[in-house]
Formats: sequence, C-alpha cells, structure tokens
Amino acid sequence: QVQLQESGPGLVKPSETLSLTCTVSGGSISSQYWSWIRQPPGKGLEWIGYFRYSGDYNSSLKSRITTSIDASKNQFSLTLSSVTAADTATYYCASGRGYFDYWGQGTLVTVSS
Amino acid sequence: EIVLTQSPGTLSLSPGERATLSCRASQSLSSSSLAWYQRKPGQAPRLLIYDSSIRANGIPDRFSGSGSGTDFTLTISRLETEDFAMYYCQQYGSSPRTFGQGTKVEIK
Repeated sequence: QVQLQESGPGLVKPSETLSLTCTVSGGSISSQYWSWIRQPPGKGLEWIGYFRYSGDYNSSLKSRITTSIDASKNQFSLTLSSVTAADTATYYCASGRGYFDYWGQGTLVTVSS
Repeated sequence: EIVLTQSPGTLSLSPGERATLSCRASQSLSSSSLAWYQRKPGQAPRLLIYDSSIRANGIPDRFSGSGSGTDFTLTISRLETEDFAMYYCQQYGSSPRTFGQGTKVEIK
C-alpha cells in the first residue's frame, strides 16, 4: 500500500517561497504521476497540479509553481513563490493525475509575517 | 473550468439508513470522469469511486456510484458508524481538475 507524508515549514512570510516535500513509501516514485492539492481554511479543495517528467498545472498558480522529483529519496517537491495570505492552506500530496489513489494527511501552511 | 455542485450540504441520518449524495457538473464530463472521496478529521482523504461507478481497492460494496453526463450519485446502502464523514466529488475529464464543495454525512 502506497503511503505519502508531507513535510515542510508551517509558517512562511509573505512574498517568500513555500517549499513542501512529499515522501512516498510502498511504491516507486518513477512509475506514476504525482499531484498537489490544497484547501484554504473554510474553502474547498483546489487542485494545484500533477507532474512526472512533465506536468499540468492550475493556470491560476502556474507562474509561481516549481515541482521536482528526487528518485533517490523517493520524494517529490513543490515550491510556490511570492506567497500571500491567500496561499494559507492545508497542502496535500497525492498519487495520480486524473483521480487520486492515495493522499497524504496534509500539512497546514500559514502565510503570515 | 467545470464547476461541481454537491447536494445536500449536510445529510443527517442514522446508522443503517441509506445515504444518497448528489454531484452535478456545469458541463458534461467526458468518459464519466468522476471520482468520490471520503475524508475524516485528521486523516488522509480516501478514494472511494472512480470512473463514476468503479469501487477503489478495498472499498466495501455498500458504497456505489452512478451517473453520467452532468449528474452523478454516491449511494451508501446502509450507513455504518465509520461512514460518518465528509464526501467530495472530483472531475478529471478536463483541466483544471475540480472538486465539489463537499457533503457532510452526520449522525442524526
């Protein structure tokens, strides 16, 4: 069974870069697509994007997103630049690019000075 | 962008009762590209149904999905206590992927 776990700082200052990592266990990171999804407090789930060697991203975020895979560590990452309070959310990593088979528990990132 | 509207917002039922959750899409979904997820507080969301009606691995057969085009339904035939949770639909027929706002199934 694939398990995913997000990690990263819980607090980021406005205008700085948010960096999150997802560690995958129980599966090969090279064999499928990976996704990021977020949920701002009190709001709905928002798809950020999926990727493997290339990807597709939400156009509202695309200019600020960088993603990468570190196969040696079975990890994949998300960076989101120039964050504002609107980027405060619980961030989830997940497997898949259509529907999402497995999800992490999520990590809350707050953007505040 | 395809907007998904779930109804009702909250469903208050007793264990053993049948739950019927609706998800309506603003445009017809290609190839019935709709999934359902369950989420409980502090837990990772769990995939229940994909391709509108196919149960994911390990999902009990009391969960069933149906629908095509713009109207989709998740049915829980007999609610167990562990089924009280939030449920979300999600479309993957087009980009961006989008989610419904969720239906909370609570104990009456």
